[in-house]
Amino acid sequence: SQTIHQWPATLVQPVGSPLSLECTVEGTSNPNLYWYRQAAGRGLQLLFYSVGIGQISSEVPQNLSASRPQDRQFILSSKKLLLSDSGFYLCAWSVWQPGQPQHFGDGTRLSIL
Amino acid sequence: AQTVTQSQPEMSVQEAETVTLSCTYDTSESDYYLFWYKQPPSRQMILVIRQEAYKQQNATENRFSVNFQKAAKSFSLKISDSQLGDAAMYFCAYGETSGSRLTFGEGTQLTVNP
Repeated sequence: SQTIHQWPATLVQPVGSPLSLECTVEGTSNPNLYWYRQAAGRGLQLLFYSVGIGQISSEVPQNLSASRPQDRQFILSSKKLLLSDSGFYLCAWSVWQPGQPQHFGDGTRLSIL
Repeated sequence: AQTVTQSQPEMSVQEAETVTLSCTYDTSESDYYLFWYKQPPSRQMILVIRQEAYKQQNATENRFSVNFQKAAKSFSLKISDSQLGDAAMYFCAYGETSGSRLTFGEGTQLTVNP
């Protein structure tokens, strides 16, 4: 069966520091991969999605970037964190066919001090 | 761009009763997919139910069912025999056919009272 791993679960970083969140999927090939951000009590905002290695689409211009160095690995990065980057970050995967549900990792709670 | 609206920020229900959560969406497409996700306090996103727009039959999954009204662009979730474990934030989501991206509503916080 397919599983998705996302880490770390919690992260506290100072303003201006770099960021790297990692997500890996097991049990499937060529998945579509997604990064979302969720503010407290709000819905999910799609940040990036990828349909293949090295293929990244950005949904919202911001301080963050994403990379997909391997088929089942998706990384969310920042060179210098802002206070506004605080939030709950979720990684998800789906099979490539349209209309299929997305399956989510357990999320990372990011606090910027 | 598609939008998804959940007009009820909060709902409550008595244990064992039935509750309906509302969702409307805006799209110019004729074919698409709709989903309900549940997010308990652990914040894990859990798929509850999926509906294909070209299917007139409403989807059901055990105690969860939907009322899909395509002309009205409405997609409500009915939870029967509510249980304490159903307490969560519920998100409605729209899925396009040209890819696999989802557009989420802002969510409805469901409280189940014993």
